[in-house]
Amino acid sequence: GAVVSQHPSRVICKSGTSVKIECRSLDFQATTMFWYRQFPKQSLMLMATSNEGSKATYEQGVEKDKFLINHASLTLSTLTVTSAHPEDSSFYICSARGGYGTDTQYFGPGTRLTVL
Amino acid sequence: GQQVMQIPQYQHVQEGEDFTTYCNSSTTLSNIQWYKQRPGGHPVFLIQLVKSGEVKKQKRLTFQFGEAKKNSSLHITATQTTDVGTYFCAALNTNAGKSTFGDGTTLTVKP
Repeated sequence: GAVVSQHPSRVICKSGTSVKIECRSLDFQATTMFWYRQFPKQSLMLMATSNEGSKATYEQGVEKDKFLINHASLTLSTLTVTSAHPEDSSFYICSARGGYGTDTQYFGPGTRLTVL
Repeated sequence: GQQVMQIPQYQHVQEGEDFTTYCNSSTTLSNIQWYKQRPGGHPVFLIQLVKSGEVKKQKRLTFQFGEAKKNSSLHITATQTTDVGTYFCAALNTNAGKSTFGDGTTLTVKP
C-alpha cells in the first residue's frame, strides 16, 4: 500500500520557537495532503487541506499565520508551527491522497509536539 | 457543515464477544470510510463503502452501508486482543474534497 512518512516523530521545543514538520508520500504522488490535529482520546480535527502548487485551505478557526503550510511538490508538504506556545502541544498527523485509491487517505505516523 | 455521529464512544468487551460501532449522518453520504488507530499509532485505512446497502467483509470484520446512505456500521465477530484501538468512520465530502471524521469508538478487549 501507499506509504506516508512524517518527520520528526517527536519534538520538544521552548515557547516562542518555530517547529517545522515534514510529510512525505514515499511511493506515490499526492495531489492533496491534509493536516490534522488530534488531542488525547479525541478525534482528528482537520486543520487544512493543501494541494500541490497552490495555497492551503484552512478550516474555520485555524490561524493560517500561525500554522504555515507549504506543498511545494507532489511528494512533500510541510507544516510550520510558528511562535509555538504550550497550548499548541498536540499530535499532528498528515495524510495524503492521490495514490492507489482516489478517495483513500494514507496517514503518516504523526508528530508529537510538546511546547515547554 | 457535514457532521458524523459515532456511537458508542467506548466499548469494553471480553475476548470472544462481538463488537459493533455505528456511524450516523443527517445527510446522505457519497461514501464512507473506516479507519483503525491503535494506541499510540496513526489511523490506518480499513475499507471504503460506496453503494447503498453495501456489505463488505474482511475476515472477522463486517462493514455495512445503509440503504439511505446515512449510516454505517462496523461489526467485529469474536473479538481478539489485537482488535483493541479506536475505530473511526469518515465521510467524504466530494464537493469540498475533504473528509469529516466521527469521534471514534475505542474498543478494549479483556483477555
